Amino acid sequence: DTEVTQTPKHLVMGMTNKKSLKCEQHMGHRAMYWYKQKAKKPPELMFVYSYEKLSINESVPSRFSPECPNSSLLNLHLHALQPEDSALYLCASSQDAGNEQYFGPGTRLTVT
Amino acid sequence: AQTVTQSQPEMSVQEAETVTLSCTYDTSESDYYLFWYKQPPSRQMILVIRQEAYKQQNATENRFSVNFQKAAKSFSLKISDSQLGDAAMYFCATYYNTDKLIFGTGTRLQVFP
Repeated sequence: DTEVTQTPKHLVMGMTNKKSLKCEQHMGHRAMYWYKQKAKKPPELMFVYSYEKLSINESVPSRFSPECPNSSLLNLHLHALQPEDSALYLCASSQDAGNEQYFGPGTRLTVT
Repeated sequence: AQTVTQSQPEMSVQEAETVTLSCTYDTSESDYYLFWYKQPPSRQMILVIRQEAYKQQNATENRFSVNFQKAAKSFSLKISDSQLGDAAMYFCATYYNTDKLIFGTGTRLQVFP
């Protein structure tokens, strides 16, 4: 089983809202990732968690706040987003840092 | 810094034919992985094939194979017997500093019946 699940599939939020994206994997992977992807572009890395600790923050604005409650779950908390934050948000996991990553289906976020 | 270059923004192939997608990369690592990912219009990123740099043998997964030229830092993907379901965006990728996956800009593959 190489499944990574993400909820919700679609999210529309206003600039004053607070929402969260959720990612889950049950493959025993120890590294989890958040990416942002704009149309026709490659994914851009946002955060990396390794063994439930944040190991990389790619200078992401503080309106994005990641959380790793346990080894299977990864959340991305959103607050006071801007319209330019509208994108596909992808979650991925890997056995360990440096191994192949398995991606979830993504959350299509629209900020109005 | 690590870079991954895909020089073909778009490619097309007829069903049942063979197509090769190009990728070159630059790395200072001595041991590393290279990947090809496929992203169909449904948008889910799917791992197609993986190559370990220390292995000289080219990786193969069914109709997908790679031509890995380590000295030239080239990692092309060959798709044989192309199918309509192969139509997608294809990204070449490798790691930078162990935990940061770097993607190329992608090649959009169209498959015609």
